[in-house]
Amino acid sequence: EVQLVESGGGLVQPGGSLRLSCVASGFTLRTYWMGWVRQTPGKRLEWVANIKQDGSEKYYVDSVKGRFTISRDNARNSLYLQMNRLRAEDTGVYYCARGTAHDYWGQGTLVTVSS
Amino acid sequence: DVVMTQSPLSLPVTLGQPASISCRSSQSLVHSDGTTYVNWFHQRPGQSPRRLIYKVSKRESGVPDRFSGSGSGTDFTLKISRVEAEDVGLYYCMQGTHWPPLTFGQGTKLEIK
Repeated sequence: EVQLVESGGGLVQPGGSLRLSCVASGFTLRTYWMGWVRQTPGKRLEWVANIKQDGSEKYYVDSVKGRFTISRDNARNSLYLQMNRLRAEDTGVYYCARGTAHDYWGQGTLVTVSS
Repeated sequence: DVVMTQSPLSLPVTLGQPASISCRSSQSLVHSDGTTYVNWFHQRPGQSPRRLIYKVSKRESGVPDRFSGSGSGTDFTLKISRVEAEDVGLYYCMQGTHWPPLTFGQGTKLEIK
């Protein structure tokens, strides 16, 4: 059974940092693109970033370029999202998702950026 | 960026009746490889999104056959032949043809009348 389990969310002040993690099981992580998608408090879904199987290609939505970094450790079956210089508009539930077609999603981790 | 526009945004439906959600893209979603990468997702209250349909009309394993996807070019539709109580929640279309970025529709909230 495919499972994706996110962690690392929390309350952070504007300008602060968080590192999200996603542990994958039930499939071979190194054979899939992986990504992060966030859901705003208004329930809008926004793609955040994707990373290729070997980490050689990474893509980001414009609003997070230069602030967020996606990475992976296939040996640890893990995906990461380092989030720096956080803003209030980054608030939301962050999901990791398998592949570029997002066939499986984790349960999400809540990030709240507020003073 | 490709803009995905869903309608309606709110969809009250009587149990057992059909439902239809439209998704229109700002440009053709036919990829250079000939495939159209349009997905549909369902999110029940308190849960994460679940993919129902991929490549316009291919139903995910385990998805009831009352769900169907259709369309081409810039116009796509998700249909539910007979709505059941478990179908409530949010529905999203997403395009994966012209990325980055991957883009989603605004979401349609289906509720039972």
